[in-house]
Amino acid sequence: DAMVIQNPRYQVTQFGKPVTLSCSQTLNHNVMYWYQQKSSQAPKLLFHYYDKDFNNEADTPDNFQSRRPNTSFCFLDIRSPGLGDAAMYLCATSRNRERVQPQHFGDGTRLSIL
Amino acid sequence: GEDVEQSLFLSVREGDSSVINCTYTDSSSTYLYWYKQEPGAGLQLLTYIFSNMDMKQDQRLTVLLNKKDKHLSLRIADTQTGDSAIYFCAERTSGTYKYIFGTGTRLKVLA
Repeated sequence: DAMVIQNPRYQVTQFGKPVTLSCSQTLNHNVMYWYQQKSSQAPKLLFHYYDKDFNNEADTPDNFQSRRPNTSFCFLDIRSPGLGDAAMYLCATSRNRERVQPQHFGDGTRLSIL
Repeated sequence: GEDVEQSLFLSVREGDSSVINCTYTDSSSTYLYWYKQEPGAGLQLLTYIFSNMDMKQDQRLTVLLNKKDKHLSLRIADTQTGDSAIYFCAERTSGTYKYIFGTGTRLKVLA
């Protein structure tokens, strides 16, 4: 089945130690999104790639970066994780940015900070 | 500004119908989505409706849209224990690529 795959499912890192989360998709979608979801809250959009065009949300901290080396893969880099960055990170894709195109989510990576 | 609101909790008995409600504020033409999130998992798209529709049915799911009141509901018929999850309503309005998510409704199905 075509899917959005996130690895790893669980990631533990130390305070201040850089960490990378990965997302891959077999849907051949043009758009890939990264969300942060804290406990009992709605997902919060961090940024998205429309093809190779990176679009950052205004309130996304500089500590969060992203890379999309090709259509299938997208990475979330957290340069110096703080305790407040512990959360579920969700990757999603959509065919394009038209409203009719729904976003398809992966199962997420739960990040813990020691 | 745009806002999407949901009640936080709903508890139903197995076999009963569940109705999860959502209100939104943007009155421009819009798509409205329902997602299900099971514990420790991502969001699973259940269904969506465009604002020129009043109702959409898909097997056990019925979506009703009241545009005048900006009210959206998701009815799950014959609710099963596997339906226990958090349900998010999301709005996507004209001219934007972003979802505006509701706070999520935690559905608990009692056996």
